[in-house]
Amino acid sequence: NAGVTQTPKFQVLKTGQSMTLQCAQDMNHEYMSWYRQDPGMGLRLIHYSVGAGITDQGEVPNGYNVSRSTTEDFPLRLLSAAPSQTSVYFCASSYSFGDRASYEQYFGPGTRLTVT
Amino acid sequence: EDQVTQSPEALRLQEGESSSLNCSYTVSGLRGLFWYRQDPGKGPEFLFTLYSAGEEKEKERLKATLTKKESFLHITAPKPEDSATYLCAVPSEYGNKLVFGAGTILRVKS
Repeated sequence: NAGVTQTPKFQVLKTGQSMTLQCAQDMNHEYMSWYRQDPGMGLRLIHYSVGAGITDQGEVPNGYNVSRSTTEDFPLRLLSAAPSQTSVYFCASSYSFGDRASYEQYFGPGTRLTVT
Repeated sequence: EDQVTQSPEALRLQEGESSSLNCSYTVSGLRGLFWYRQDPGKGPEFLFTLYSAGEEKEKERLKATLTKKESFLHITAPKPEDSATYLCAVPSEYGNKLVFGAGTILRVKS
């Protein structure tokens, strides 16, 4: 199993550009999520999905869109990049959310994004 | 509002010098507390889950404990390879999501 994969690993954007961060998992996990990590602020949840076709907002959703058309893939779209979106982005997945067997989240290696 | 606070922000230890990291939380009706380890340039890696006050979990030189308001990650006789950022998280009261603390950066010098 490859686990959780993310592409690209690094990306530089200019203000106003759009792009999609890719996330895929091969563990048949129902729950997937996107976090951003900034120095001193820990991991903050952007969007999450409890299954194909179902998404919801996290703590910091503004400027980002998601969709979940398959169990495996959960792309994150930046609509119009801003310098405040410079961060490291992590995708994570778990079997489900809500029972004791499922909280263990598996994280991808991250995408380091710089917006100039 | 859910809140998870970790202390200290950074900790420097000599090899073999035992210490503890703290994670306090304000969420009521705790459904679990989770510890993760994160190495530089990598995603967090799951370490432990604790579900009830008094519970303890161990892995090599690490032992996690839980009370009603906080958790401790005890590091016994640490080695340089234990250097990492340690994160704790709790399930939010408001929806299907984890709330993370800012983490403790641990550096162990030989």
